[in-house]
Amino acid sequence: NAGVTQTPKFRILKIGQSMTLQCTQDMNHNYMYWYRQDPGMGLKLIYYSVGAGITDKGEVPNGYNVSRSTTEDFPLRLELAAPSQTSVYFCASSSWGGNTEAFFGQGTRLTVV
Amino acid sequence: DQQVKQNSPSLSVQEGRISILNCDYTNSMFDYFLWYKKYPAEGPTFLISISSIKDKNEDGRFTVFLNKSAKHLSLHIVPSQPGDSAVYFCAASARDSGTYKYIFGTGTRLKVLA
Repeated sequence: NAGVTQTPKFRILKIGQSMTLQCTQDMNHNYMYWYRQDPGMGLKLIYYSVGAGITDKGEVPNGYNVSRSTTEDFPLRLELAAPSQTSVYFCASSSWGGNTEAFFGQGTRLTVV
Repeated sequence: DQQVKQNSPSLSVQEGRISILNCDYTNSMFDYFLWYKKYPAEGPTFLISISSIKDKNEDGRFTVFLNKSAKHLSLHIVPSQPGDSAVYFCAASARDSGTYKYIFGTGTRLKVLA
């Protein structure tokens, strides 16, 4: 039972490079989320999706893009990486986003140098 | 504007004693509250939740209390065990423009001393 799977686990990017963080879930959840966690801070919502084909911005969307072509996958794209995007990124999913818990992946630690 | 606040960044408790972690929120529209536990290099894992229509929910050693008038919730762990040492995040959700989102606090690092 895989749950939420994120790849890669670690990545070092140079300023200006681009990359895609992959996230897939096998629980047939409708809702998916991307969060970032900076040192000493809580989790900040970047983007979320309520179903395939539907995405919306969270609290800190600048510098990121997402797509949701299938129920299972919710990749996060970083264009023109900046040092401020150095963080740990978590993908999560929930069945319908209401009175239910979200399940998280293991995280991707990204460093931009 | 921090809608969910955990004002204690850290807490140390002796094994066997009670751990009390606190969380305050500002948005009266929040109707569901959750606690997550996070170990280093792992994703957060769900611990316990409470709906706004209740004031207490219990699951084994973990109890969450909700005081809606004070916009305050707390997580009690009794008895505390060394394996409970982790960062605990409080989260809240509310319906916003037809969808639900989870808003997280900054976390409290709990250390249970053997």
